[in-house]
Amino acid sequence: KNQVEQSPQSLIILEGKNCTLQCNYTVSPFSNLRWYKQDTGRGPVSLTIMTFSENTKSNGRYTATLDADTKQSSLHITASQLSDSASYICVVSARAAGNKLTFGGGTRVLVKP
Amino acid sequence: DGGITQSPKYLFRKEGQNVTLSCEQNLNHDAMYWYRQDPGQGLRLIYYSQIVNDFQKGDIAEGYSVSREKKESFPLTVTSAQKNPTAFYLCASSWGVEGELFFGEGSRLTVL
Repeated sequence: KNQVEQSPQSLIILEGKNCTLQCNYTVSPFSNLRWYKQDTGRGPVSLTIMTFSENTKSNGRYTATLDADTKQSSLHITASQLSDSASYICVVSARAAGNKLTFGGGTRVLVKP
Repeated sequence: DGGITQSPKYLFRKEGQNVTLSCEQNLNHDAMYWYRQDPGQGLRLIYYSQIVNDFQKGDIAEGYSVSREKKESFPLTVTSAQKNPTAFYLCASSWGVEGELFFGEGSRLTVL
């Protein structure tokens, strides 16, 4: 069964600090991995999309890494800001009919001043 | 501005009533999707459509129905057969099945 597990479930960090979120998956055959940011009560917004051949991808202060061999990804937030408070969702796409997406449960990040 | 518009933002329903959630996009995307989000869980696919007048069941289609009469519109009806309809519903669209997903702002349905 395709699964995406994220850790931690939640974390609190001080403004200006860095943090790293983890995503482990068992989706096969792998097509791509996506990270989304979801503010409370809003729709998710795409941060990065990585294919099998990409090890790292950045979007401003967000840097995603992918290790397709160990089926792990991480999202690193640098110099956190209050606006980074949100849920971060890891999504893995299977290279199959319909390119089915499997969503992780998300990591809720709270940035405190 | 291009994007996806969902309405209403909040909706209350009495048990036994059907309700319809609207989703409109002006991104010229072929594919549209409906997801359900419950606290602490990953998004689950209800229905998706890759082309006008065609749609497919997702993982949790029971108690829901959709239509795709126009490329821009993909309304979701939550029927009285859905036993636990209280949730946050998200509509999304993409160029194709491998394309980036663009989400609407969501509709929160509460059954009283």
